Amino acid sequence: DTGVSQNPRHKITKRGQNVTFRCDPISEHNRLYWYRQTLGQGPEFLTYFQNEAQLEKSRLLSDRFSAERPKGSFSTLEIQRTEQGDSAMYLCAGAGDTDTQYFGPGTRLTVL
Amino acid sequence: SQQGEEDPQALSIQEGENATMNCSYKTSINNLQWYRQNSGRGLVHLILIRSNEREKHSGRLRVTLDTSKKSSSLLITASRAADTASYFCATDADGNNRLAFGKGNQVVVIP
Repeated sequence: DTGVSQNPRHKITKRGQNVTFRCDPISEHNRLYWYRQTLGQGPEFLTYFQNEAQLEKSRLLSDRFSAERPKGSFSTLEIQRTEQGDSAMYLCAGAGDTDTQYFGPGTRLTVL
Repeated sequence: SQQGEEDPQALSIQEGENATMNCSYKTSINNLQWYRQNSGRGLVHLILIRSNEREKHSGRLRVTLDTSKKSSSLLITASRAADTASYFCATDADGNNRLAFGKGNQVVVIP
């Protein structure tokens, strides 16, 4: 158990709906990362935060995606107007003073 | 785009045998990490090796890094059925820990 939790674990939605995922790292994780993983592939970087500051966003993160970490603790990832291509596992990872990232169990999104 | 590429993609071995996976990458790196993922679950960090290191051990795991060839290998000795999983290498190119993962290596250990 890495101590990183994600909710919900599964989300099924209809195309065009908005969805929001939450990640709760442990308090020592001043850095927080979001990745997306599709079937049979490795995770792909989406964005990361240093405390509450969003420092980098991948080109994969279209305008329909937004992430926040308002108090430097938990983070949310919102997808607006979901598309079938958004179906994937969304993974969150926390990191502290070392370079090791501790991943949560992921949120599996299915867009119908 | 995926930085690391593991070879072979799928490996099936008998319990007790050793399993070796290779990973190649394209750009210079700060460190390289190996992760394990059980089906449909999150990733578990196995080992991190820095660009100035050549070999690292952790329990039954041995990782090597050859920066001149831009490649790394993960050896699992005396495999167990519980080692059945997908194994990913991930590179950190510039020290900000934005990891670039390979496609993964599926390992099946037959009891």
